[in-house]
Amino acid sequence: DTGVSQNPRHKITKRGQNVTFRCDPISEHNRLYWYRQTLGQGPEFLTYFQNEAQLEKSRLLSDRFSAERPKGSFSTLEIQRTEQGDSAMYLCASSLPPRPLSYGYTFGSGTRLTVV
Amino acid sequence: QKEVEQNSGPLSVPEGAIASLNCTYSDRVSQSFFWYRQYSGKSPELIMSIYSNGDKEDGRFTAQLNKASQYVSLLIRDSQPSDSATYLCAVGLTGNQFYFGTGTSLTVIP
Repeated sequence: DTGVSQNPRHKITKRGQNVTFRCDPISEHNRLYWYRQTLGQGPEFLTYFQNEAQLEKSRLLSDRFSAERPKGSFSTLEIQRTEQGDSAMYLCASSLPPRPLSYGYTFGSGTRLTVV
Repeated sequence: QKEVEQNSGPLSVPEGAIASLNCTYSDRVSQSFFWYRQYSGKSPELIMSIYSNGDKEDGRFTAQLNKASQYVSLLIRDSQPSDSATYLCAVGLTGNQFYFGTGTSLTVIP
């Protein structure tokens, strides 16, 4: 068990470009979560998968954001036409049911996005 | 009204003292409560969880929950410089997402 893995660790992109992040959850975990954290704020929920099904989406997840989890394994989060306001740390976590409420999340190391 | 509120600090305590971090939440149906520690530039790390009223101790850390007052706190005894970090309070309702506070910055002065 190597924990939740996120790639890349850092991404600098120009405004208007598309970016994609990857999250590899802990192998036996069927639930996967994406959060976003901006400077000085706590993490904010974006979306949640159970296996390959995307079951919850926050209103923060605008049309420019899309997340997938093909085959219920790794997940990708894509941001199209990036804006400076997208600059943040994107955090991934995974869990087994019904663990989240009982045990909390273990986050990956995050992907820090800077839009210039 | 924000779901979870914390004093942003900064809170400074001398080494060896007790650091007290506080958090209030707005939703009475909240079921679970967590404290995360976050070092600068790193992701949050889970350090404590509590579900029932009262105290829960783990080493130098004690979490306290008062559901009637909608209040949860974290005490750090014998504070060390390595405890200097931002401490995030997280609250779980039903479902799968947590609501996080904005965090309290703690500095332990050697």
